[in-house]
Amino acid sequence: GAGVSQSPSNKVTEKGKDVELRCDPISGHTALYWYRQSLGQGLEFLIYFQGNSAPDKSGLPSDRFSAERTGGSVSTLTIQRTQQEDSAVYLCASSWGGQGAGYTFGSGTRLTVV
Amino acid sequence: KQEVTQIPAALSVPEGENLVLNCSFTDSAIYNLQWFRQDPGKGLTSLLLIQSSQREQTSGRLNASLDKSSGRSTLYIAASQPGDSATYLCAVRHNNAGNMLTFGGGTRLMVKP
Repeated sequence: GAGVSQSPSNKVTEKGKDVELRCDPISGHTALYWYRQSLGQGLEFLIYFQGNSAPDKSGLPSDRFSAERTGGSVSTLTIQRTQQEDSAVYLCASSWGGQGAGYTFGSGTRLTVV
Repeated sequence: KQEVTQIPAALSVPEGENLVLNCSFTDSAIYNLQWFRQDPGKGLTSLLLIQSSQREQTSGRLNASLDKSSGRSTLYIAASQPGDSATYLCAVRHNNAGNMLTFGGGTRLMVKP
């Protein structure tokens, strides 16, 4: 596609439920990133995929968070047993992976845990 | 650990003014620096990307400079318009393992008609 697509755009879930957030990167981009932006806060790195390499999971805040990237394209971020502090905008970005590459961000998924 | 700081945190100017947003970073081992715009409730829109070997980039009324050795970048907006009102974020891409972007806290700009 022409840009990075994220779905759903908004998600309201009850505390304790699991949620899945989806990211469709730009076709041909080998690198994919997930960031989180809490209300009034900066962007927090979560996880990074590059080609077939093992993902960099160093930013995941707890073991309730996981992500996978199937076939080197679509990625799913899963949050298990959601907590109210998980409420945030989850942003996905992709790049072609080269050293000089810039990032293209999606519009984000706004997650609200009630 | 890379730290990115943006000053000022908020700025309010009358329409037509030229303005400068500042970004500083602590580790000069970067591949590039990128300026983004974020409108309320929206994702990030890339404005300018400056490679570590470059000094500046221009797009329309926007000009971004990079001084890697001193860890500074500026975003210059000429003849500001109300439509420029948004939060502006700078981000640096490390050249160490991980290649993640580290973001500054942003400058919230309001341009008054």
